[in-house]
Amino acid sequence: EAGVAQSPRYKIIEKRQSVAFWCNPISGHATLYWYQQILGQGPKLLIQFQNNGVVDDSQLPKDRFSAERLKGVDSTLKIQPAKLEDSAVYLCASSLSAGGLSEQFFGPGTRLTVL
Amino acid sequence: QKEVEQNSGPLSVPEGAIASLNCTYSDRGSQSFFWYRQYSGKSPELIMSIYSNGDKEDGRFTAQLNKASQYVSLLIRDSQPSDSATYLCAVSQTGANNLFFGTGTRLTVIP
Repeated sequence: EAGVAQSPRYKIIEKRQSVAFWCNPISGHATLYWYQQILGQGPKLLIQFQNNGVVDDSQLPKDRFSAERLKGVDSTLKIQPAKLEDSAVYLCASSLSAGGLSEQFFGPGTRLTVL
Repeated sequence: QKEVEQNSGPLSVPEGAIASLNCTYSDRGSQSFFWYRQYSGKSPELIMSIYSNGDKEDGRFTAQLNKASQYVSLLIRDSQPSDSATYLCAVSQTGANNLFFGTGTRLTVIP
């Protein structure tokens, strides 16, 4: 079974530029998550989708971050404009359902460096 | 504020010993508990999940949960150098699958 796919794996941009990350979840997984992991910290949830609807985006900086999952499968996370403090690894995860007992599986992540 | 606390380490154990990793959480509504292993430069990998009080064993790994004390732990028996990684504790509430992570404990197994 293929895991969660993400691209690109690495991205270097200058502050105030825009960037987009792509994620394809495990086949059949209805719930998709985007996390931000800053060096030395645990992942922090940015947004959670159930199929193509947003379940939780309370920690998403909506003035600069946006995300969509139009067809209920793959998803895109965008940052515009980027700030230095956005340098982090952006992790996509998926689970079968949104229930609390559903295990989440992570993709390889995208390491973003903002100069 | 939901908080998950872990000792950041580093925790060093000799090869073959038992490594004990601890985690406390602040939200009494937490119902699901997970341990992830994260190698340097890699993404978190799920190694254990536990939902009820007591012990759960899977190979060399044992997860222990005590909801009254708001405490969850991971024991690694017969530690191997390949177990050297950062171990992340994560918790979620029933009905919501938002995972709240600790900062992780860095484990080093010395050959």
